Amino acid sequence: QSALTQPPSASGSPGQSVTISCTGTSSDVGGYNYVSWHQQRPGKAPKLIIYEVTKRPSGVPDRFSGSKSGNTASLTVSGLQAEDEADYYCFSYAGNNNDVVFGGGTKLTVL
Amino acid sequence: EVQLVESGGGLVQPGRSLRLSCATSGFTFDDYAMHWVRQAPGKGLEWVSGISWNSGRTGYGDSVKGRFTISRDNAKNSLYLQMNSLRVEDTAVYYCAKDSSYAPVGPFYWGQGTLVAVSS
Repeated sequence: QSALTQPPSASGSPGQSVTISCTGTSSDVGGYNYVSWHQQRPGKAPKLIIYEVTKRPSGVPDRFSGSKSGNTASLTVSGLQAEDEADYYCFSYAGNNNDVVFGGGTKLTVL
Repeated sequence: EVQLVESGGGLVQPGRSLRLSCATSGFTFDDYAMHWVRQAPGKGLEWVSGISWNSGRTGYGDSVKGRFTISRDNAKNSLYLQMNSLRVEDTAVYYCAKDSSYAPVGPFYWGQGTLVAVSS
């Protein structure tokens, strides 16, 4: 059972925007600005797309953006493209004893 | 270019031990925390363990506490995971991941993974 709650699925048509939520508690998502989002295409290793809530690594399109409100972090994908179809996972720092918690993943389908 | 190469996976019987290794290059290894994250077949990602830059802090997921031990050798730019008392449910692809910080706050860059299969 994952400590962070993500919707199992999300979908949108090409060009549309979709937002995926990641809900935790004040001990993880709400307590620290160390939320990351990772994209995983079938048969591939995960790839970081957002770190420290809002930052994008070099090479990640600016169509991907992150935000946080209270205990819920969100990943927004704007201008959906077919290549965005993948599983998306959130991770959060949770302090010294619990270290890192994670979400169950969201399967994004581009219709 | 950052490279993380896992090795040591394979088929092992329940109750036995296995040691995974992660050889790294392309960055200053002893500046960063490191993690192990696994993925069971058809399932989501699960954080297994993390270690700070100087091994001063380690953390473990509840499902592996007391059975797995993370370690690192900064002289060899390598990360390890000693897995004891293996269970069928430990079957997964195990990924090595680099952090963005000296303390373990979360995976930042991923290796390609090594498969561990626990079966009699």
